[in-house]
Amino acid sequence: GAGVSQSPRYKVAKRGQDVALRCDPISGHVSLFWYQQALGQGPEFLTYFQNEAQLDKSGLPSDRFFAERPEGSVSTLKIQRTQKEDSAVYLCASSIDPDTGELFFGEGSRLTVL
Amino acid sequence: QKEVEQNSGPLSVPEGAIASLNCTYSDRGSQSFFWYRQYSGKSPELIMFIYSNGDKEDGRFTAQLNKASQYVSLLIRDSQPSDSATYLCAVKFYNQGGKLIFGQGTELSVKP
Repeated sequence: GAGVSQSPRYKVAKRGQDVALRCDPISGHVSLFWYQQALGQGPEFLTYFQNEAQLDKSGLPSDRFFAERPEGSVSTLKIQRTQKEDSAVYLCASSIDPDTGELFFGEGSRLTVL
Repeated sequence: QKEVEQNSGPLSVPEGAIASLNCTYSDRGSQSFFWYRQYSGKSPELIMFIYSNGDKEDGRFTAQLNKASQYVSLLIRDSQPSDSATYLCAVKFYNQGGKLIFGQGTELSVKP
């Protein structure tokens, strides 16, 4: 595709529900990143894939957060038993070359936990 | 201590003025430095990157890097109302893979 595509754009969940957020990166981009952005803050790193390998998951805030990219393309970020503090915009970004540091971001998935 | 720090602002400048945005970072083998612009409700987009000490110019934008002082800045000349956005500083550290560490962003408002 022309850009990074994320779905859903908006998600409202009741506390305790599980949610799944999808990211479809730019075709050919080997690196894929997930960031969490709270209102008025900068993006906070969650996890990073190179192809299907999850090379860094140091930013995942708890074991309720899980990410996968089984075929090295589409990725899913899953949040189990959502809590109010999980409310944020979840940004996915891809990069053709991790050494350059240039990330292309999707429009984000805004999660609101009631 | 946050690894990348910015003043959150808001920074307000009149149209046509120079806007100066600043960022400091912790010295953990910093490698390269990026400025992203984020309009309200939109995703970040890359404006500039800089790897070496000194200045790098691209149109109305100039990035300045001083590794000894652990300081990177972005100057916007002839500021326009369309430049009103949040500017995010990001740093790529050695041995951290491809991830970028972002500051909290500085909100810039350019008044007509």
